[in-house]
Amino acid sequence: EVQLLESGGDLVQPGGSLRLSCAASGFTFSSYAMSWVRQGPGEGLEWVSAISATGSSTYYADSVKGRFTISRDNSKNTMYLQMSTLRAEDTAIYFCAKIPSWRNPPDYWGQGTLVTVSS
Amino acid sequence: QSALTQPASVSGSPGQSITISCTGTSSDVGSYNLVSWYQQHPGKAPKLMIYEGSKRPSGVSNRFSGSKSGNTASLTISGLQAEDEADYYCCSYAGSSTVYVFGTGTKVTVL
Repeated sequence: EVQLLESGGDLVQPGGSLRLSCAASGFTFSSYAMSWVRQGPGEGLEWVSAISATGSSTYYADSVKGRFTISRDNSKNTMYLQMSTLRAEDTAIYFCAKIPSWRNPPDYWGQGTLVTVSS
Repeated sequence: QSALTQPASVSGSPGQSITISCTGTSSDVGSYNLVSWYQQHPGKAPKLMIYEGSKRPSGVSNRFSGSKSGNTASLTISGLQAEDEADYYCCSYAGSSTVYVFGTGTKVTVL
């Protein structure tokens, strides 16, 4: 059974930094690209970032480019999202998601971790 | 890259069929047969209902079906049931720069 467990969400001040983690199990993590998707309070889903299976290629939404960094450690079956220069509009639930094959939208999702940016 | 356009809400009575549209552009929906549909109940993670436009993952009811015409994808729910009441989102591959774009979301109400 595919399981994705996010952690690291917290209350952080504007301009601050935070690192999210996504621990994966139930599939061969190193064979699949992964993604982060967020959902602001009462809002829709927004794609944030994606990373190839090997970690050699990374992709970002314009809204986070230059501020967020996606990475992965295949030896630990874990993906990360380093977030810096956080803004109020980054407040959201951040979901970790598995990409079944490149270009196909995600198939399995974690339960999400809440990031709140406020002073 | 703008979000794909979905109706804000769709409603139907039990047993009826409803269709949710998802309109994009020639840069996303129109260029690729890579549209997925998700069901999201309040406080829960999205669940994949349709992928590659019309394919159902194992375990998803055959009451859910997908199609595409031009720049618009559609999700049809037939034999509407109370448990289908949820938010539904489409998502399309949008090229190597934007990668994925989601729809604005549709709230389905079972009357």
